Amino acid sequence: SAVISQKPSRDICQRGTSLTIQCQVDSQVTMMFWYRQQPGQSLTLIATANQGSEATYESGFVIDKFPISRPNLTFSTLTVSNMSPEDSSIYLCSVRTDREGEQYFGPGTRLTVT
Amino acid sequence: LAKTTQPISMDSYEGQEVNITCSHNNIATNDYITWYQQFPSQGPRFIIQGYKTKVTNEVASLFIPADRKSSTLSLPRVSLSDTAVYYCLVYTNAGKSTFGDGTTLTVKP
Repeated sequence: SAVISQKPSRDICQRGTSLTIQCQVDSQVTMMFWYRQQPGQSLTLIATANQGSEATYESGFVIDKFPISRPNLTFSTLTVSNMSPEDSSIYLCSVRTDREGEQYFGPGTRLTVT
Repeated sequence: LAKTTQPISMDSYEGQEVNITCSHNNIATNDYITWYQQFPSQGPRFIIQGYKTKVTNEVASLFIPADRKSSTLSLPRVSLSDTAVYYCLVYTNAGKSTFGDGTTLTVKP
């Protein structure tokens, strides 16, 4: 298994500003993912962030808006840039263990943009 | 990516066995099937993962028929605390995964 922590757990931000969310894993993993979950909705994949390569973004998500860093095998950040109220959501970090191929999720970061 | 289809909601009573079925008709040869439980304001929690036949752990069983086009999560003797949204996910070890809409399970006393 993998234990994932995220910082901050929640934040309230003003429109036009940026927020960087940190994701820390207790073991080394190659594959990491960032998801977004809006209230009452399912999870939507933002991007895949594998160590050693550029992040791969899903349709509807761009690097300028959601830049991602993956400096090592246990850490990643997602930045939500130039925020608007439509960015209010829960952002979740997820990893897939190298050996078992099981995918685990962090507790999420609840973002409110005013 | 294999698209998954689940019932939107299910009701049950405490002590009953609950079976939630997920359809994934275009599952690929190397795809695994994983089920998650999610409570409000929490990240999804890994329940069980399988490739074929039957897998059992301390909280659930996963049944996968030979054609692998569907899977069934079985929760024995549910309690009120099992009320949650349950997601079925299909992915390859090296690939990305996409969530379906999930099944909201409500357990009644």
